[in-house]
Formats: sequence, structure tokens, C-alpha cells
Amino acid sequence: EDQVTQSPEALRLQEGESSSLNCSYTVSGLRGLFWYRQDPGKGPEFLFTLYSAGEEKEKERLKATLTKKESFLHITAPKPEDSATYLCAVQVGGYQKVTFGIGTKLQVIP
Amino acid sequence: KAGVTQTPRYLIKTRGQQVTLSCSPISGHRSVSWYQQTPGQGLQFLFEYFSETQRNKGNFPGRFSGRQFSNSRSEMNVSTLELGDSALYLCASSLEIAGDDEQFFGPGTRLTVL
Repeated sequence: EDQVTQSPEALRLQEGESSSLNCSYTVSGLRGLFWYRQDPGKGPEFLFTLYSAGEEKEKERLKATLTKKESFLHITAPKPEDSATYLCAVQVGGYQKVTFGIGTKLQVIP
Repeated sequence: KAGVTQTPRYLIKTRGQQVTLSCSPISGHRSVSWYQQTPGQGLQFLFEYFSETQRNKGNFPGRFSGRQFSNSRSEMNVSTLELGDSALYLCASSLEIAGDDEQFFGPGTRLTVL
């Protein structure tokens, strides 16, 4: 069974304090790994897709990387507006059957 | 470009009733997926439709069903509601072209079962 584990469950950072969120996965035949951001009461917002080990993508203060067993979401010099729950998801094989992790709740304090 | 829309945004039902939720995907997207989100379980996959056909199904009881129309709009139905069905139900659409598989989510329907 496909498994996605995110750590830590919650993370509190001071504004400007860089850190990383982890997503480890156990799947057979990874097609893609996705990162989403979710604000309270809203649907997840797409951030990145990673397809192969070694791939990296960046967007503003966020950088996502992928290895054969895990992905990291690096947050550089975070701001309070980066506070949200960050979700990792994997797609295995064809079609849109996606397994999500529980998420990491990030709080950035001014 | 309009995003994914879901109606209604909020619903309150009582045990034993049934409910129908609606989702309109982004224009041009033919894949629509449904998820249930609860604090303890996170997002759990319900089912996915493509061109009016259910292609994937998660591990939910038969009380949960869905369908997709020719214009790609989708509905999901939950019959004989239970207290544990209280959740945020999210719909996501995808363009599904090779290398472009990301899903775009709607705001969700918050269902409360009393």
C-alpha cells in the first residue's frame, strides 16, 4: 500500500528562520510528487510537481527537492504569510489516484 | 480563467439523510477527483472521473457515489448519512496532459451531520 509520511506535524519558526519540511514515501512506480499549500477553510493550492530523483523546483522562498525515497520543501527566510499547512502527495501509475500525507502545519511568527 | 467551483459551500444534515454535492472543473479539464478531508485522516481519495467514466475509486463504502456529466461537471452523493461523514469534501480537476498532472482544488463543501 502506498504510504506518505510528513514530518514534523507542526513547525513554529521565527520570521527569517529557514527550515525544511520532509515528505517520505513508500510507493511502487512513482509517477509524480506534488506539494500543496492549504490555508484554513480553503482548498489546497498547488505549488510544485517533481517527477524524478534529483529534480528541484523553486518559487519565491520555497524550494522543493526529490530523492528516491523522500522530498524536502525548503523555506528560506520565511514570512508570516507563509503560515499554512503544507501537503505532500504522490501519484502512482496512471490516472489521478493520488495519496496525500497528513501535512505539516507551519507557523511563522513576526 | 475561473477556478474550480463547488456548491454548496456549507451543508447541515441529519443522520440518515442523503446529500448531493456539485463540482464544476476548470474549463478544459476532463478529470475530476473527489476527496474527503478530516482533521485526523487528512485528505482521503474518494473517486476520480474522466470523460463520464469512473477510473479510480478509494476505500469508501458504497454509500458514497458520484458521476460526471458530458460537460465535465461532477456530482457526488452520500446516502444514509452518518455522524462520521462530517468533513470537508474537496473536488479537484486536472488537465491531464503528459507532464501536466497537477490537480487544482476547489474551496470545498463543509458538511456537518447532526
